Amino acid sequence: DQQVKQNSPSLSVQEGRISILNCDYTNSMFDYFLWYKKYPAEGPTFLISISSIKDKNEDGRFTVFLNKSAKHLSLHIVPSQPGDSAVYFCAASRSFGNEKLTFGTGTRLTIIP
Amino acid sequence: KAGVTQTPRYLIKTRGQQVTLSCSPISGHRSVSWYQQTPGQGLQFLFEYFSETQRNKGNFPGRFSGRQFSNSRSEMNVSTLELGDSALYLCASSFFDRNTEAFFGQGTRLTVV
Repeated sequence: DQQVKQNSPSLSVQEGRISILNCDYTNSMFDYFLWYKKYPAEGPTFLISISSIKDKNEDGRFTVFLNKSAKHLSLHIVPSQPGDSAVYFCAASRSFGNEKLTFGTGTRLTIIP
Repeated sequence: KAGVTQTPRYLIKTRGQQVTLSCSPISGHRSVSWYQQTPGQGLQFLFEYFSETQRNKGNFPGRFSGRQFSNSRSEMNVSTLELGDSALYLCASSFFDRNTEAFFGQGTRLTVV
């Protein structure tokens, strides 16, 4: 049962435009969400996170939006740069207890120069 | 501060053999988690260790096992290797009890032939 879903396996965006990556979850107990970025032959690196008490968190070019009622979160990258080309994973967990991170299947983002 | 170190980086084994992978977490981190990444499946959680105790376990067969030492270093073992075990195995460490904002190693690419 895939509790965290990224329904778009790939996405291509023109350089300078906005990239929007989407993620849906089914477990209503999740209250902490993260985005990771992964380059080939490297481990994922933490990008940005959001707690369920907020609906938006911003860090430079990266903004994560959380819609709890729809169980949906999205990552916006503005403006998109060639170095943003990577696989992006969303992850979710419960902030109380010793809960593991549950990852989505990833979206490969390609920025077209 | 040194990051998460995984050894070896690449490994080729034949079916039926066993393999041991090693992970050295960031200094001071007590939680170590292991993930399997295969194309289209995202990061599948294997298990998590905290203070030498397995705290969480994913849905993998008993052929997959692990342990953590007093210095927080961790090993995972796969016995009776199958072709389907070919994957990138990632280790992540985190400081707090809960597995958020985990820091990943570069992974061990295991190929079973």
